[in-house]
Amino acid sequence: DAKTTQPNSMESNEEEPVHLPCNHSTISGTDYIHWYRQLPSQGPEYVIHGLTSNVNNRMASLAIAEDRKSSTLILHRATLRDAAVYYCILRDLSGANNLFFGTGTRLTVIP
Amino acid sequence: DSGVTQTPKHLITATGQRVTLRCSPRSGDLSVYWYQQSLDQGLQFLIQYYNGEERAKGNILERFSAQQFPDLHSELNLSSLELGDSALYFCASSRGGSKGNTIYFGEGSWLTVV
Repeated sequence: DAKTTQPNSMESNEEEPVHLPCNHSTISGTDYIHWYRQLPSQGPEYVIHGLTSNVNNRMASLAIAEDRKSSTLILHRATLRDAAVYYCILRDLSGANNLFFGTGTRLTVIP
Repeated sequence: DSGVTQTPKHLITATGQRVTLRCSPRSGDLSVYWYQQSLDQGLQFLIQYYNGEERAKGNILERFSAQQFPDLHSELNLSSLELGDSALYFCASSRGGSKGNTIYFGEGSWLTVV
């Protein structure tokens, strides 16, 4: 799987939007962009994924650059419960289904 | 609650010992994965099973082994334990074994080797 680059940490004020960036300059045409997050003392949790178009679900939005070399996870109103490590992972449709986690971005939400 | 159940939640054992971690996947999921998370290595994929058969192998040590039983639950066996094996071990499951299937993680089993 191709590599992603994320900032080590970010801070946000509670109830403000958060934009978590991810660079994936070596992405291939068949790579899906997945986001997982890991809350303290819990297992990773699926957040959202997309291929080319922007995606929305109840948890977040995913904005994908036109050239697909970067993407941004958007939390519309950060809550204290959103404090977690967020992982951006590229997955193509070939091969096994395992996930390869990088170091992710640790999001701190300030009350 | 992801629906993936892991036992035990916490385990303390001595070096040289052997332990077994157990995982029950979400209802209907055929694939099970094991991951190890330590402070210095982050989240590392160990092994994947699909419907009882090994599907993919990651950074799993020879001292570690796993299997998936006919009822689809899985066990991870860790033997000749060393201090460095202290970590959080996650089990995860997905409906199918191929990419595109969302993977759901359990809450993990904390292993401390003393």
